[in-house]
Amino acid sequence: GESVGLHLPTLSVQEGDNSIINCAYSNSASDYFIWYKQESGKGPQFIIDIRSNMDKRQGQRVTVLLNKTVKHLSLQIAATQPGDSAVYFCAENYGNSGGSNYKLTFGKGTLLTVNP
Amino acid sequence: DAGITQSPRHKVTETGTPVTLRCHQTENHRYMYWYRQDPGHGLRLIHYSYGVKDTDKGEVSDGYSVSRSKTEDFLLTLESATSSQTSVYFCAIRGTGYEQYFGPGTRLTVT
Repeated sequence: GESVGLHLPTLSVQEGDNSIINCAYSNSASDYFIWYKQESGKGPQFIIDIRSNMDKRQGQRVTVLLNKTVKHLSLQIAATQPGDSAVYFCAENYGNSGGSNYKLTFGKGTLLTVNP
Repeated sequence: DAGITQSPRHKVTETGTPVTLRCHQTENHRYMYWYRQDPGHGLRLIHYSYGVKDTDKGEVSDGYSVSRSKTEDFLLTLESATSSQTSVYFCAIRGTGYEQYFGPGTRLTVT
């Protein structure tokens, strides 16, 4: 079957460079965001999350920045490695609480290619 | 991998046949989800479950049904498969917050 990585925006970087992947989210009421990494043939993998009461959160080699004014989310990967090559996509939660409303809405993603 | 397995991992079936995909989790999570993933689209929610026998529709539920008779298993059934249901199907569970963790996926081809 056709790879999910086709038809996506692409970012190509050199090994060792920093990467910045962007996501525009849709709902100003969203209060929780996640970045996922998906390697070819695998399921999405949780990378890092951030709540809307934060502007920045850091993990191991990754940083997520949130700009609520323009509804923009970014993922920064430091010292990008070939193993970082994958599709990256963001997800948002509309802030519904309790009951049956723990749902996420997913972006289409960006294909990151790291050149050795 | 949050203890999630999916079966089968690959399936080819003919138009009009029923198909059931299984998601199994070992960590007693209450919420479980079925998504499909197609080129040009983000993950799209088919159905989800918030407890045994408690399920609800997602945005692309037409042609699909689900069942959850026990906590660990969430079944997705295509009553009469069509070529438009050729896709990769992912099961997910909700973690302790709003985050979700995904299984390895099932690639379904309807000929």
